[in-house]
Amino acid sequence: AQSVAQPEDQVNVAEGNPLTVKCTYSVSGNPYLFWYVQYPNRGLQFLLKYITGDNLVKGSYGFEAEFNKSQTSFHLKKPSALVSDSALYFCAVRDRKDTGRRALTFGSGTRLQVQP
Amino acid sequence: GAGVSQSPRYKVAKRGQDVALRCDPISGHVSLFWYQQALGQGPEFLTYFQNEAQLDKSGLPSDRFFAERPEGSVSTLKIQRTQQEDSAVYLCASRGGQEETQYFGPGTRLLVL
Repeated sequence: AQSVAQPEDQVNVAEGNPLTVKCTYSVSGNPYLFWYVQYPNRGLQFLLKYITGDNLVKGSYGFEAEFNKSQTSFHLKKPSALVSDSALYFCAVRDRKDTGRRALTFGSGTRLQVQP
Repeated sequence: GAGVSQSPRYKVAKRGQDVALRCDPISGHVSLFWYQQALGQGPEFLTYFQNEAQLDKSGLPSDRFFAERPEGSVSTLKIQRTQQEDSAVYLCASRGGQEETQYFGPGTRLLVL
């Protein structure tokens, strides 16, 4: 079975400060990892993914994430937060061993609030 | 028309009514997924199609839920005899054949009264 944990329901950060949104995962094999962002009344918007290769992944809007196999983590980061980054962020995983279902398993989400 | 589209965006149903939710995936995308997102939760898998074949329906919560994709493009999720617990956002996602990223539509928000 695969699972994702996002331990923080909400993260508050001041505009211009760095932000981190935490994610840990559990899979039996090796993971594919994703971050999505959701704005009010909108679907999920893809930010970035880790498939293989470099552990530091860069994505849209200045976001990046670091895959850490030993800690089974994939934390989302941004060097300087913007008020417009305020949204709901979801981490998701798929086990590479899963050649059948291919569905993503999502965390419960972390609400990011960036104060001006 | 580059993205995934869903209709209707909002649906209010009386308990016991049948509803049909439509998904238009990105053109050429082989794989199509349906997820259910309850309020304050992350999306949860319902069912998966590869072309017209429904390869996994293990996430459908009851036999009142039915999905189809007869021509391998547009998909419809049907819920019969809706219950209040069916109230949620229903998200559709599609994925191209050679990549892992799923692209999501805006969702249909279903409210069952």
